[in-house]
Amino acid sequence: DAGVIQSPRHEVTEMGQEVTLRCKPISGHDYLFWYRQTMMRGLELLIYFNNNVPIDDSGMPEDRFSAKMPNASFSTLKIQPSEPRDSAVYFCASSSQGAINEKLFFGSGTQLSVL
Amino acid sequence: SQQGEEDPQALSIQEGENATMNCSYKTSINNLQWYRQNSGRGLVHLILIRSNEREKHSGRLRVTLDTSKKSSSLLITASRAADTASYFCATVSTSGTYKYIFGTGTRLKVLA
Repeated sequence: DAGVIQSPRHEVTEMGQEVTLRCKPISGHDYLFWYRQTMMRGLELLIYFNNNVPIDDSGMPEDRFSAKMPNASFSTLKIQPSEPRDSAVYFCASSSQGAINEKLFFGSGTQLSVL
Repeated sequence: SQQGEEDPQALSIQEGENATMNCSYKTSINNLQWYRQNSGRGLVHLILIRSNEREKHSGRLRVTLDTSKKSSSLLITASRAADTASYFCATVSTSGTYKYIFGTGTRLKVLA
């Protein structure tokens, strides 16, 4: 099993540009989570999906952020337009059915720098 | 904020010593989990304790849970340099959602 795969590993962009982060969850997992990690705020849950449907997006900071899950094996997190304060490490994680007592499997993260 | 708090924020010990980290949370929970994060990497699950359990062991790890105090502790016995990492607790509330809320983390440094 390849685990949760995120791309790109690093992204450097200029303020105002669109950024798209990608995630492939573990096959068979039906929950997908997007987290953002910064020194100041720690790990923040942005949004999570169940069976490709967004369940809770209350952590999405602004309308500039959007997330989609068009199928069970792919999700994107888009920031448009990006701002320097969006600089952070973005993690995708997945878990299996019955997630209430299941563990999360994390990807390696995308280090985003907005200049 | 829904975030839990962990203390200490940073801990430095000698190899062979025990390391204890504490986590406090705010809501009623279904379970509490501990994760480890090596520098520049994603989080890795260590151990899960359910709300009706008080103590759990896994190898050199011992976790306790006190739901009346809304707190948990992680003990790593006989620490090794390879245990150097950040450790996070995560809670899943009883609210019916599957939101995993992470604490602020403890940075552990084990000196060889």
